[in-house]
Amino acid sequence: SAVISQKPSRDICQRGTSLTIQCQVDSQVTMMFWYRQQPGQSLTLIATANQGSEATYESGFVIDKFPISRPNLTFSTLTVSNMSPEDSSIYLCSVEDKGARNPSQFFGPGTRLTVL
Amino acid sequence: AQRVTQPEKLLSVFKGAPVELKCNYSYSGSPELFWYVQYSRQRLQLLLRHISRESIKGFTADLNKGETSFHLKKPFAQEEDSAMYYCALNAAAGNKLTFGGGTRVLVKP
Repeated sequence: SAVISQKPSRDICQRGTSLTIQCQVDSQVTMMFWYRQQPGQSLTLIATANQGSEATYESGFVIDKFPISRPNLTFSTLTVSNMSPEDSSIYLCSVEDKGARNPSQFFGPGTRLTVL
Repeated sequence: AQRVTQPEKLLSVFKGAPVELKCNYSYSGSPELFWYVQYSRQRLQLLLRHISRESIKGFTADLNKGETSFHLKKPFAQEEDSAMYYCALNAAAGNKLTFGGGTRVLVKP
């Protein structure tokens, strides 16, 4: 399965600032996804990021708040803009590994964000 | 819209006892269902998917379309099974996973 890394692993930020989270995959993948896991809650999909096209955002998430880049088939970034304490969450990227015997989504280790 | 429900937030069982994690879904099409597991201090990882119809670490799950359920079962729980378990649904179009709220399993010695 694909090996996924994220940077930073955690951060503590001040209200009103922005943080960019990086996701790196060790193989080329078509589809990358960004999820949010708020404290004590399950995972919620933020957007799908495909190389060469605009990200597709889920209901309740907008590009101005969560701009995403996908410059190539192994890398993506998610920016959390103008942060507030409500943005404190774990942010995860995932990829669909179509090369696996049974294509499934594999997840990065997550970025734990705390906004003060 | 699709929805995944895991009614139990916490399941506590003794080692060697059976464990069953409930998962119900709502989706009008033909779903693809998964169980993901997150052990302490580890990343979320795929445990099994209904298409594979395989047993992983002694766990099995059967898709029951009539009851719209995909319950996860293990006949003899082990302490290393203590973890957070998430049921997830992949709608036929879009490859987007919808997750249930998760069930924390605690296996006591």
